[in-house]
Amino acid sequence: NAGVTQTPKFRVLKTGQSMTLLCAQDMNHEYMYWYRQDPGMGLRLIHYSVGEGTTAKGEVPDGYNVSRLKKQNFLLGLESAAPSQTSVYFCASSLLSYNEQFFGPGTRLTVL
Amino acid sequence: SQKIEQNSEALNIQEGKTATLTCNYTNYSPAYLQWYRQDPGRGPVFLLLIRENEKEKRKERLKVTFDTTLKQSLFHITASQPADSATYLCALVEGGSQGNLIFGKGTKLSVKP
Repeated sequence: NAGVTQTPKFRVLKTGQSMTLLCAQDMNHEYMYWYRQDPGMGLRLIHYSVGEGTTAKGEVPDGYNVSRLKKQNFLLGLESAAPSQTSVYFCASSLLSYNEQFFGPGTRLTVL
Repeated sequence: SQKIEQNSEALNIQEGKTATLTCNYTNYSPAYLQWYRQDPGRGPVFLLLIRENEKEKRKERLKVTFDTTLKQSLFHITASQPADSATYLCALVEGGSQGNLIFGKGTKLSVKP
């Protein structure tokens, strides 16, 4: 089992460009999450999904969109990147809410 | 306002000693509290979960306590080793909520040989 995988691992964007981060899990988990981690801020929830076809906003959703068309995949989109979106992005999944979360290796995004 | 505070940004201890990390929360009523380990450049890895009606949980050299009166969780690593050096994150799940985790900022533990 690969667990939770994220692509790409690194990306540099210019302000105003768009991109999509892909998260995939092979554990048949219902719940999937996108977090960002910034120095001194800890992990903050961007969006999450409680099942295929569902999405919901987390603590810091502005500037991001998500989709969960297949149970195993959770996509995070940036339509018009801003320097404030420079961060490390982590995807996670869990079988149920309240359960332990399994994290991917992260994507380091720099917006110039 | 609601806060989760891990009281030390960094903790340095000698190999073989017990490391004790603290997680305090304000204006939350957690149903669960979880601890994760994060190594540089990697995603967090789950260690232990403790429920609001549990006082203590153990796993090998790890022990977590949960005191809802003090609004505090303590995370202990006994007989610490240099390989235990990492950042440790506490996270809580608010009772009656969707079940999303709310993370503290973490404590960076360094175990010196």
